[in-house]
Amino acid sequence: SQQGEEDPQALSIQEGENATMNCSYKTSINNLQWYRQNSGRGLVHLILIRSNEREKHSGRLRVTLDTSKKSSSLLITASRAADTASYFCATDAIGNTDKLIFGTGTRLQVFP
Amino acid sequence: DAGITQSPRHKVTETGTPVTLRCHQTENHRYMYWYRQDPGHGLRLIHYSYGVKDTDKGEVSDGYSVSRSKTEDFLLTLESATSSQTSVYFCAISADGGRAEAFFGQGTRLTVV
Repeated sequence: SQQGEEDPQALSIQEGENATMNCSYKTSINNLQWYRQNSGRGLVHLILIRSNEREKHSGRLRVTLDTSKKSSSLLITASRAADTASYFCATDAIGNTDKLIFGTGTRLQVFP
Repeated sequence: DAGITQSPRHKVTETGTPVTLRCHQTENHRYMYWYRQDPGHGLRLIHYSYGVKDTDKGEVSDGYSVSRSKTEDFLLTLESATSSQTSVYFCAISADGGRAEAFFGQGTRLTVV
């Protein structure tokens, strides 16, 4: 079974609004990453957060990590139509940081 | 863009035939991964490699084998293709496993008829 599950599965918002996606995972981790996938393309790395970090920022992206709840959230502020894509979280695992396991993804649609 | 290419990009094959997909990198990264992507399942790990001739199974390895005889190439073989293996296959590379960002190829769309 997959390590991570994103919530919601799909999200539709207007340009300028904020988008929040959540990821829950099952086993303890060392690192959690977020990726973006435009339709029909490969995934592109957005941000990596380590288990000893609680929050990380990159441009309009803000990622939080709560290891006690085994969950992470990705916030995209002031969304643009170009942010329309699928977003995935990915984790390694305690005892095996070689693996990179992805969740099921959130499809974000941003309307102009 | 990271130097990672997948071949072929598209393939149609018949049930029961063997199929090999190739992933080639020019980044000298230690880790290489094969995933399949299906609607509703996100990306699922098939096999991965942590060095030349060092490979391990992922979540959905049944019916698949891999080989890595040199750093730059990671081959995925469907030993006897089935319709359930119709999917989009992605290769990824990483310098440091789950501790670093991964770079993805453009994907191979495989149809088994």
